[in-house]
Amino acid sequence: EADIYQTPRYLVIGTGKKITLECSQTMGHDKMYWYQQDPGMELHLIHYSYGVNSTEKGDLSSESTVSRIRTEHFPLTLESARPSHTSQYLCASNRDGNSPLHFGNGTRLTVT
Amino acid sequence: RKEVEQDPGPFNVPEGATVAFNCTYSNSASQSFFWYRQDCRKEPKLLMSVYSSGNEDGRFTAQLNRASQYISLLIRDSKLSDSATYLCVVWNTGFQKLVFGTGTRLLVSP
Repeated sequence: EADIYQTPRYLVIGTGKKITLECSQTMGHDKMYWYQQDPGMELHLIHYSYGVNSTEKGDLSSESTVSRIRTEHFPLTLESARPSHTSQYLCASNRDGNSPLHFGNGTRLTVT
Repeated sequence: RKEVEQDPGPFNVPEGATVAFNCTYSNSASQSFFWYRQDCRKEPKLLMSVYSSGNEDGRFTAQLNRASQYISLLIRDSKLSDSATYLCVVWNTGFQKLVFGTGTRLLVSP
């Protein structure tokens, strides 16, 4: 079973608040990813990292930012939440770029 | 044309039926292929990796056809619990990234 954890599982927050979604993995994977997914819709890659101090934007433009100070930790931050940020955010990691992804159980964010 | 294409479905089948999904990919240099299963409002979970011509795991069989650039997933003896969305994932060698299909939804009814 994959060891990748996301917190919080659910978050309801008001517009304008700063939030950080946490993601940690204990598998020693260098590569980590953040995906955004609306209900019934496809996954969109918003950020990825190939190692410490490496972060890149994904295919879908996002107002969020990420950091990778430690191998096991890849937090995502929204400086000022808006209702359009309401979505599910999924963190994932893999050993190599072409090996299977392990997903966390997601954070469901609602911005009111 | 999308890099990875799947029929969105839904595929409605009765319990016990055999159902097959196809996934086509555009990059002929793709090396690695995966099938994931995603339940409603849950994270995707790896169902099978497809590294060579194909492989089988119980009721599930995945096949790769490099000449026609598609992979398939066959589910035999469908169970109610097989109802989910099945995601095809392809490693794009050129861009060095995993590309997800939009998913095929399966509904198994009693």
